[in-house]
Amino acid sequence: DAGVIQSPRHEVTEMGQEVTLRCKPISGHNSLFWYRQTMMRGLELLIYFNNNVPIDDSGMPEDRFSAKMPNASFSTLKIQPSEPRDSAVYFCASSATGVSNYGYTFGSGTRLTVV
Amino acid sequence: AQKVTQAQTEISVVEKEDVTLDCVYETRDTTYYLFWYKQPPSGELVFLIRRNSFDEQNEISGRYSWNFQKSTSSFNFTITASQVVDSAVYFCALSDDRDDKIIFGKGTRLHILP
Repeated sequence: DAGVIQSPRHEVTEMGQEVTLRCKPISGHNSLFWYRQTMMRGLELLIYFNNNVPIDDSGMPEDRFSAKMPNASFSTLKIQPSEPRDSAVYFCASSATGVSNYGYTFGSGTRLTVV
Repeated sequence: AQKVTQAQTEISVVEKEDVTLDCVYETRDTTYYLFWYKQPPSGELVFLIRRNSFDEQNEISGRYSWNFQKSTSSFNFTITASQVVDSAVYFCALSDDRDDKIIFGKGTRLHILP
């Protein structure tokens, strides 16, 4: 099993540009989560999907952020336009629901720097 | 509302010492799950343990042990005979039974000095 795969590993972009982060969950996992990690705020849940449907997006900071899961094997997190305060490590995680929450498997993260 | 508090922001110990990382949680649910994750300097998040609210047995895995006490809402993590490779940020986390959201504490950065 290849685990949760995120791309790119690092992204440097200029303020105002659109940024797209990608995630491929573990095959068979039906829940997918996007987290953001910063020194100030720690690990924050942005949004999570169950069976490709967004369940809770209350953590999405503002309208500049959007996430999609067009199928069970792919999700994107888009920031448009990006701002320097969006600089963080973004993690994707997946889990198999219906088994009393055995915890997530995280991807390696995407380190985003907005200059 | 659910909350996880890791009061120790940073700890430094000398190699081979024992160290305990504290975790206090808040929840109104009777069914919930507690987790510990490790984040080494390389940055990935590694699952260490899961415990459900009905299982208060302490657990030991090699040099790692976990003490779950519902009476004090604590789920502490002890590393015995610490090693330099244990240096990492450790996160305690909580989830209820209604969905799969996991709420993380702010983490404790552990330095093991040679």
